[in-house]
Amino acid sequence: KAGVTQTPRYLIKTRGQQVTLSCSPISGHRSVSWYQQTPGQGLQFLFEYFSETQRNKGNFPGRFSGRQFSNSRSEMNVSTLELGDSALYLCASSEHRAAYNEQFFGPGTRLTVL
Amino acid sequence: KNEVEQSPQNLTAQEGEFITINCSYSVGISALHWLQQHPGGGIVSLFMLSSGKKKHGRLIATINIQEKHSSLHITASHPRDSAVYICAVAKGGEGSQGNLIFGKGTKLSVKP
Repeated sequence: KAGVTQTPRYLIKTRGQQVTLSCSPISGHRSVSWYQQTPGQGLQFLFEYFSETQRNKGNFPGRFSGRQFSNSRSEMNVSTLELGDSALYLCASSEHRAAYNEQFFGPGTRLTVL
Repeated sequence: KNEVEQSPQNLTAQEGEFITINCSYSVGISALHWLQQHPGGGIVSLFMLSSGKKKHGRLIATINIQEKHSSLHITASHPRDSAVYICAVAKGGEGSQGNLIFGKGTKLSVKP
């Protein structure tokens, strides 16, 4: 099976812009979770989608949003970008709910906000 | 105080040594994950456990729910084990049930 893919791999934006990141899970996986990784805060949970519904949400402002399509592919959107949004954004998929199952991580999208 | 604490932050070992990385948490959990992140950024899930002990090759993970503590052991360490090891807990209870909270990671370097 193909692994988790994320596009784009690298992205440079300026403050105030918005960005959309995409994640394609492993075939048959119904859960997609998104994480932000920065040198200062480490890994932080953004949200989890399962069967097209957001099941959990981390402590991030409303500028961060996401959705999941019927084929389990997921997108996350960040609006009104801030310098502090520069980070590695990782998605992970699992067959069932992420908390109780092995997760398979994508390579990440490195976002730089100038 | 962080809800998930790992120790040590950095660890240097000689090839062949037995390694232990510790994870303590302060919240009720439903599961605990151990992850490995290599320098290129890729993350691999090593274990998911909610009780007892699991073994995979040279890796062993244990958890003590009463003491809110987990350990990751590497036997006969090898330079290819050099990576950052991250502990993550899935919160139990109402509200944020299932949200993953991560430790800051332990950077392991194994010298030949």
